Amino acid sequence: DQQVKQNSPSLSVQEGRISILNCDYTNSMFDYFLWYKKYPAEGPTFLISISSIKDKNEDGRFTVFLNKSAKHLSLHIVPSQPGDSAVYFCAASEGYSTLTFGKGTMLLVSP
Amino acid sequence: DAGVIQSPRHEVTEMGQEVTLRCKPISGHDYLFWYRQTMMRGLELLIYFNNNVPIDDSGMPEDRFSAKMPNASFSTLKIQPSEPRDSAVYFCASTVGSNVDTQYFGPGTRLTVL
Repeated sequence: DQQVKQNSPSLSVQEGRISILNCDYTNSMFDYFLWYKKYPAEGPTFLISISSIKDKNEDGRFTVFLNKSAKHLSLHIVPSQPGDSAVYFCAASEGYSTLTFGKGTMLLVSP
Repeated sequence: DAGVIQSPRHEVTEMGQEVTLRCKPISGHDYLFWYRQTMMRGLELLIYFNNNVPIDDSGMPEDRFSAKMPNASFSTLKIQPSEPRDSAVYFCASTVGSNVDTQYFGPGTRLTVL
């Protein structure tokens, strides 16, 4: 059973608009959450993270929101750029140990 | 630094054949992870090593899969015999001190088993 779920396989957004990628988790022991970005023919790269003691973390155009009661997190990209087109993986960790990933969401930002 | 190096980048083989995937972690990293990416299951952890010692192999799907790390700069993932359902992209990643923020992934090996 998937402990980290990304229910949208793909998302299309116009350049300049906001992209919102969603992620749900089932394991209440997860205390650290991350987003990875993956371009074709490359490995995933770390994008942004958030600890369970926070509800928001921001880094430039990227903001991650965490709703612990709903076991839900989201990644907001504002404004979206064509170079943001990639697969985005949500991941979770218990005690800063190993990572459990979702299936990924493919984001396409069109000019 | 060259980053995590994986070879081969692509592998096509026939069912029943032995497949060996290779990984060279970033120098100085003491944790090494093997992942598999499929459409159905996404990115899943197969096994990880700390200081060349396997710590958790609970993600290894079957006995057909084995992994070794004979030294700090080299690891292999072997599938014997291979089956079509093993077709996937296999990633190796490394980090220092199990820091989940900074797992550096290699470019992956795309395996196709016919």
